Amino acid sequence: KQEVTQIPAALSVPEGENLVLNCSFTDSAIYNLQWFRQDPGKGLTSLLLIQSSQREQTSGRLNASLDKSSGRSTLYIAASQPGDSATYLCAVVIKAAGNKLTFGGGTRVLVKP
Amino acid sequence: DTGVSQDPRHKITKRGQNVTFRCDPISEHNRLYWYRQTLGQGPEFLTYFQNEAQLEKSRLLSDRFSAERPKGSFSTLEIQRTEQGDSAMYLCASSTMTGNTEAFFGQGTRLTVV
Repeated sequence: KQEVTQIPAALSVPEGENLVLNCSFTDSAIYNLQWFRQDPGKGLTSLLLIQSSQREQTSGRLNASLDKSSGRSTLYIAASQPGDSATYLCAVVIKAAGNKLTFGGGTRVLVKP
Repeated sequence: DTGVSQDPRHKITKRGQNVTFRCDPISEHNRLYWYRQTLGQGPEFLTYFQNEAQLEKSRLLSDRFSAERPKGSFSTLEIQRTEQGDSAMYLCASSTMTGNTEAFFGQGTRLTVV
């Protein structure tokens, strides 16, 4: 059974500092990995999708890496801003599992002005 | 198309009542998923449809839960005889079946059972 873990559960940084969010998964036979942002009481906003054949994806200040062999992904957010405060969730799709997502518990980020 | 739409956004109901939620996926997406999220946790898979066919149901989906997707368009999730433990955020997502299978989520329906 695929398990996804995100450590730490919460993170507080001063504005301008780079954020490093970790995600680990137990089954390396993934189809892809997706990072999401969730604001309190809201749905999920897709940030980046990394296919299993890719090593990283970039979008603006966001960069996500994927190391399937070690079962890890890292989301980097450069020059954090107070507006980056949210919960960040990673999720993996297992091959031949209907593309359903298995989520980690999330990392709650607070960027202090 | 404005993305995945869910209705209602919030629902408060008394224990024992039935509730129904609706999800309208992105129009060209043939896969539709339901997830449930409790406070401080990541979403958990409930069920998914490929077009109108319900292909998988989680063990989390008790007999009191039923989902439909008539004609492969919108979907409904019904909970009968609600219990306090059903209180959660119910999230709907859609994606294509092939190619870029990025999942897009709606804003969710927050259910509170009192």
